[in-house]
Amino acid sequence: KQEVTQIPAALSVPEGENLVLNCSFTDSAIYNLQWFRQDPGKGLTSLLLIQSSQREQTSGRLNASLDKSSGRSTLYIAASQPGDSATYLCAVMDSSYKLIFGSGTRLLVRP
Amino acid sequence: NAGVTQTPKFQVLKTGQSMTLQCAQDMNHEYMSWYRQDPGMGLRLIHYSVGAGITDQGEVPNGYNVSRSTTEDFPLRLLSAAPSQTSVYFCASRPGRTSHGGYTFGSGTRLTVV
Repeated sequence: KQEVTQIPAALSVPEGENLVLNCSFTDSAIYNLQWFRQDPGKGLTSLLLIQSSQREQTSGRLNASLDKSSGRSTLYIAASQPGDSATYLCAVMDSSYKLIFGSGTRLLVRP
Repeated sequence: NAGVTQTPKFQVLKTGQSMTLQCAQDMNHEYMSWYRQDPGMGLRLIHYSVGAGITDQGEVPNGYNVSRSTTEDFPLRLLSAAPSQTSVYFCASRPGRTSHGGYTFGSGTRLTVV
């Protein structure tokens, strides 16, 4: 059974820092991996989607990498801002196109 | 395009009542799913559908029914609500198997069962 783990569970950093969020999964037979952002009381916003054949994807200050063989993905946020404060969720899509989620990393960027 | 629309946004039910959570998408997506999100448990798959007329169970299907009569709509039915079904429910959709697209989520329905 696929299991997705995100470390750390919570992170507090001063504004301007570069930071890395980690995601690991137990079964490397994934279709793709998706990073989401969730603000308190809100829905999920897709940030980046990495296909299983890709190594990384970039969008603005965000960069996500994927190492399928080791079962790891990282989300890199450059020059963090208070507006980046949210919960970040990693989800892998299995061969049946179902998403399996990690429990998230709660990020606070202090002004 | 509205994307994935969920109604209602908030609902309070009494134990034993029934209700239907609505989900509609206007992107002609084949795949649709229902998740529930609980503190400390993350998002868990309830039911999913790979096309009109086809549904299957996810990780936590007990107490919930679904049907998919059209591509656009995927309602979730609670036949006899229980306090354990207090949660935030999310509907999501993605293109069909020939696409490499990811999932788009609705804004959620916050359900309280008293």
